[in-house]
Order: sequence, then structure tokens, then C-alpha cells
Amino acid sequence: KNEVEQSPQNLTAQEGEFITINCSYSVGISALHWLQQHPGGGIVSLFMLSSGKKKHGRLIATINIQEKHSSLHITASHPRDSAVYICAVPHSGGGADGLTFGKGTHLIIQP
Amino acid sequence: DTGVSQDPRHKITKRGQNVTFRCDPISEHNRLYWYRQTLGQGPEFLTYFQNEAQLEKSRLLSDRFSAERPKGSFSTLEIQRTEQGDSAMYLCASSSGRYNSPLHFGNGTRLTVT
Repeated sequence: KNEVEQSPQNLTAQEGEFITINCSYSVGISALHWLQQHPGGGIVSLFMLSSGKKKHGRLIATINIQEKHSSLHITASHPRDSAVYICAVPHSGGGADGLTFGKGTHLIIQP
Repeated sequence: DTGVSQDPRHKITKRGQNVTFRCDPISEHNRLYWYRQTLGQGPEFLTYFQNEAQLEKSRLLSDRFSAERPKGSFSTLEIQRTEQGDSAMYLCASSSGRYNSPLHFGNGTRLTVT
């Protein structure tokens, strides 16, 4: 079973700062998910990546398969980026399994 | 495509009562997942369906929990004889089931057991 560790658990930063959230996992995987959860519960899929790097607006996700590590970066952070960011990987590494989730990083961007 | 919908959004019940939640996945999605999330934690896997077949259950799913997806479309999650420890957000997600296909989440049902 895959184990997922995220860091930091909590992060408070000023508007405009560059944000990095890290995720490590224990079992080789086909793809890793980055998700965003706002207060009230709704979860939105940000990225699913299996290698290299993906970019969407101010969000960048990278993954190093050999090191079993991924990072989520936010450039020019804004208060509306405040949310919980969750990393998730397939249970046993496969592509269509249920996911194992990290505990999430609670990000607060202050104006 | 209206996304994944869950009903109700909130449920308050007394200990010992039974509750049932419903999830309507995206229509062409054949995989449906149930997760439970407690405060400050990431979601925990409960079970999932490929069409109407329940393929995996987590050990979190005690015999008080049961899930169905009778026609391979919507799913229900029932909790019998609720306990205060069942208070959580219950999340449903669906996917096409293709390799590495993304999950689409509903907004969840928040259960409070008093």
C-alpha cells in the first residue's frame, strides 16, 4: 500500500510570494494527482502527472519518479489561492485504483 | 455534463439512526469511489465500483456500512446504527476508468452524529 507524506502541513505566506508544497510517496506509481480543496469540502483536480512538469496558469507541478517525489509551486500567490492542497497516488501504484491521499497542506495567503 | 452530485449536502442524525447518502456520477463514468474525510485529514478510501460491481472495500468499512450501485449509475452509501465517530465528510468521485483518468469529485455530504 502506498504511503503519502506532504510538507509542510500548514503554510502562511504574503501575497506575491512563491509557494512550494512537497509530496513523497513510497510505491512506484503510474501517475500522481494534485488536488485543491476549499472550505466547504469541494475538491478540484489540479494536475495529474506521470513525469516531468505541467503548468496551468500560475500553478506548476513537477514529479521525479526515481525519487518518488513531487512538488506543487504557486507563482505570484494571491489570497484566492488559500485552500488545502492534497497530493494523492494510486493505492498500489496502478492507474485505475482508488487513491491514497496525503493529509494536505493548509495554505493561507495574506494580502 | 453537470459533474458529480451528492445528496444531501448536510445530514444531522442521532446516534443509532440509519442514514443513506446518494451519489450521481458523471454519466459516462463507469468507476465510482466513496471516500471519508475527517477534520484536518486527507480523504480516506472506503470503496469503489466498476459499473455495478463493488471491487474493493477498505477495512474502514465496517459491517455497519454498505454501498450499492444497482444499475451501474448512481450509488448509495448507507450507515446503520450511526456512532459519533461516523461524523465526517463523505465524498464521492467518479472516473472513466481508463488508465490514469482523472477523478471528478462531488461536493460531499457532511454527516454530524449527535
